[in-house]
Amino acid sequence: ILNVEQSPQSLHVQEGDSTNFTCSFPSSNFYALHWYRWETAKSPEALFVMTLNGDEKKKGRISATLNTKEGYSYLYIKGSQPEDSATYLCALGSGNTGKLIFGQGTTLQVKP
Amino acid sequence: EAQVTQNPRYLITVTGKKLTVTCSQNMNHEYMSWYRQDPGLGLRQIYYSMNVEVTDKGDVPEGYKVSRKEKRNFPLILESPSPNQTSLYFCASSLTRLGTQYFGPGTRLLVL
Repeated sequence: ILNVEQSPQSLHVQEGDSTNFTCSFPSSNFYALHWYRWETAKSPEALFVMTLNGDEKKKGRISATLNTKEGYSYLYIKGSQPEDSATYLCALGSGNTGKLIFGQGTTLQVKP
Repeated sequence: EAQVTQNPRYLITVTGKKLTVTCSQNMNHEYMSWYRQDPGLGLRQIYYSMNVEVTDKGDVPEGYKVSRKEKRNFPLILESPSPNQTSLYFCASSLTRLGTQYFGPGTRLLVL
């Protein structure tokens, strides 16, 4: 059974702080690694999909890196703002199963 | 507007009373999935479909059925709902296998 772990489970930071989260996954049969942003009472929205070892993606103040050999991805938020408060989900796509396995998420709270 | 729609958005029912949650997408996506979200467990895939008449089990398929008779629709059927199926359900579609998931607004189900 594939297991995707995210840490920390929750995080409280002050406005302006930079922060990062980790997504760990088994590196065998890797196909794709997704990051989603999920605000309360809304649906998850895609941030990044990464497929290649060493991939780095950026959207505004948010960026992500991928290491498929050691099985981890980092999500970075530079200069956190209150509107960044959300749960950040990563998901592993396994080429073997065709399934998408989600981690439990990291909930970020940014205080003004 | 490109979107995934789900109906109903909220549903309260009783144990054993068959129900269907509809899902429709207007993006001509090949792939569609159903997920459930429970506190502390993250998003778990129930079923997914690769094309019309092609479906496969996700991680938690017990107690659910799906059908894909048309490309745009992917209904989730609970033949005999039980209280442990009380959850928040999301339908999603993607253009490619394991590609970016576009989520519907969610259906909150309470089974008494």
